[in-house]
Amino acid sequence: DADVTQTPRNRITKTGKRIMLECSQTKGHDRMYWYRQDPGLGLRLIYYSFDVKDINKGEISDGYSVSRQAQAKFSLSLESAIPNQTALYFCATSVSSNQPQHFGDGTRLSIL
Amino acid sequence: AQSVAQPEDQVNVAEGNPLTVKCTYSVSGNPYLFWYVQYPNRGLQFLLKYITGDNLVKGSYGFEAEFNKSQTSFHLKKPSALVSDSALYFCAVRDYFSGGYNKLIFGAGTRLAVHP
Repeated sequence: DADVTQTPRNRITKTGKRIMLECSQTKGHDRMYWYRQDPGLGLRLIYYSFDVKDINKGEISDGYSVSRQAQAKFSLSLESAIPNQTALYFCATSVSSNQPQHFGDGTRLSIL
Repeated sequence: AQSVAQPEDQVNVAEGNPLTVKCTYSVSGNPYLFWYVQYPNRGLQFLLKYITGDNLVKGSYGFEAEFNKSQTSFHLKKPSALVSDSALYFCAVRDYFSGGYNKLIFGAGTRLAVHP
């Protein structure tokens, strides 16, 4: 089983809809992250959480919100989706800033 | 502000030849540097990191990277490329900011194509 699991893997939806992307991990890491990948732009950080009570905005948090339901679960929501939020979304975990981040296989989101 | 640049969108190399994927960085203080690889329909996988110590860092799948402080570079290398090395490669630098939080800043990625 994968250590970092993202659901759904693919989603097509319409402008204005509310969408939730879910991430769960079995690595026991406190730190969790949500990134967005766009061609030619690399990965950009949306939100990050260093423990259940700690949520922080990343560089592109506008239009997104998150919830850290437990150490193992970190969900990303788009309250009212817009087409320029079409992208590949990744969840990642880490044990500390000096150690590698471990990524899920991503959610491909298309907003029509 | 910390930043990382990957100057090549794509690198083409013949199988069996050495490969280099370039990365330069800009940080205040000592850099913490990482390389990740992404295969199609998969998340990023860690290859190697430089925190301190030897300038030549060895990682997974036969890859290594050379840290050069004077040139602010951290180029990824492999002596003999395989077709299976074809993938998207990302360089990243740790960004430290006030409050004790750290996060990674990623380059735009370099697509490596290894031809038989």
